[in-house]
Amino acid sequence: ETGVTQTPRHLVMGMTNKKSLKCEQHLGHNAMYWYKQSAKKPLELMFVYSLEERVENNSVPSRFSPECPNSSHLFLHLHTLQPEDSALYLCASSQVGDARLYGYTFGSGTRLTVV
Amino acid sequence: AQSVTQLDSQVPVFEEAPVELRCNYSSSVSVYLFWYVQYPNQGLQLLLKYLSGSTLVKGINGFEAEFNKSQTSFHLRKPSVHISDTAEYFCAVSDRQAGTALIFGKGTTLSVSS
Repeated sequence: ETGVTQTPRHLVMGMTNKKSLKCEQHLGHNAMYWYKQSAKKPLELMFVYSLEERVENNSVPSRFSPECPNSSHLFLHLHTLQPEDSALYLCASSQVGDARLYGYTFGSGTRLTVV
Repeated sequence: AQSVTQLDSQVPVFEEAPVELRCNYSSSVSVYLFWYVQYPNQGLQLLLKYLSGSTLVKGINGFEAEFNKSQTSFHLRKPSVHISDTAEYFCAVSDRQAGTALIFGKGTTLSVSS
């Protein structure tokens, strides 16, 4: 399989649940990103991992917890979410230093609904 | 800080008509510019990008964009759209000098009808 794969595609969870989103890239990239996409809002950058180290965290609530065990895998652990956290969560990858030139490769996203 | 403004949230057009999706950016430094397309239930796909050189950039699916430094704009155009062009379009900017993160606009929904 090639590109960036996200699982699950859809997730419905209660506010007291704990779940995780998974992202896997097969492109040999060494930077990975989590974005939140809500209706009619700009894409919100949540986390950036470069060479498996977190380099950017844009004031995301602690109920979102990222994990990057290696350069090919990225997780977003979720717990005690709120209904306003319902959104499409997109994972992307790039080569460090090349993102400015080549942009990112995105996964298809996980549609999260918090009930 | 950089920002991207997409002036139109929705653009309805008829098939085979021309279309322009507008994008303006705000930055105090030189930038790279991108347009992405998102089809329903899919992630974002790169349409085209401006790095340097010719201000007219051609991308996939017959789209092109023109970089205008004096107006800080990067508008996307297609001379004749198809039903299959119905999608969400995002303009993005990155800083030439530092950082790796792209900054995205809110997106423009292009709806093509027959």
